[in-house]
Amino acid sequence: AQSVTQLDSHVSVSEGTPVLLRCNYSSSYSPSLFWYVQHPNKGLQLLLKYTSAATLVKGINGFEAEFKKSETSFHLTKPSAHMSDAAEYFCVVSDPRASGSARQLTFGSGTQLTVLP
Amino acid sequence: DAGVTQSPTHLIKTRGQQVTLRCSPKSGHDTVSWYQQALGQGPQFIFQYYEEEERQRGNFPDRFSGHQFPNYSSELNVNALLLGDSALYLCASSFGTSGGNTIYFGEGSWLTVV
Repeated sequence: AQSVTQLDSHVSVSEGTPVLLRCNYSSSYSPSLFWYVQHPNKGLQLLLKYTSAATLVKGINGFEAEFKKSETSFHLTKPSAHMSDAAEYFCVVSDPRASGSARQLTFGSGTQLTVLP
Repeated sequence: DAGVTQSPTHLIKTRGQQVTLRCSPKSGHDTVSWYQQALGQGPQFIFQYYEEEERQRGNFPDRFSGHQFPNYSSELNVNALLLGDSALYLCASSFGTSGGNTIYFGEGSWLTVV
């Protein structure tokens, strides 16, 4: 079984300061990990993904995440927050060994990011 | 290139009624999954369709059913609606069987049951 824990339900930062959204995962195998962002009343947009290549993954809009197997973590960071980053962020895990017919995403409960002016 | 498209975007139904939601996958994708996202929660996996068959199912009752057509589009049907079925229903598509393939989401269908 696989699971994801997002350690903070709400994070508030000032514009221009760094962002850190924390995620820990549990998986019987080396997982595929994703971060998705959801703006109000919108669907989910992929920020970045890790699939056993480089452990430091760069995504869109200046976000990046580092896969740390020893800590079972996949924290999302950004050096400088922008007002447009305010949204809900989901850490997601899937089993890369599963075939397309059996791949399901397991979502964390989400972290609401607020960016203060 | 159109991404994942869903219809309708919003709908209101009465308890006990039935609803059908529709999804067209991203061009070139052959696998469609459906997720339910209740207010304030993360999406929950309902089921996945591949080659016109339900391949995997999450913890949802039989009231939730689906279909995939030869053109890979899909429908989600929910019978005997309950107030608790009110949620955002998300369709996701992907291609192939590799576990690392990217999954793309539509903007969802908001269902309100009154």
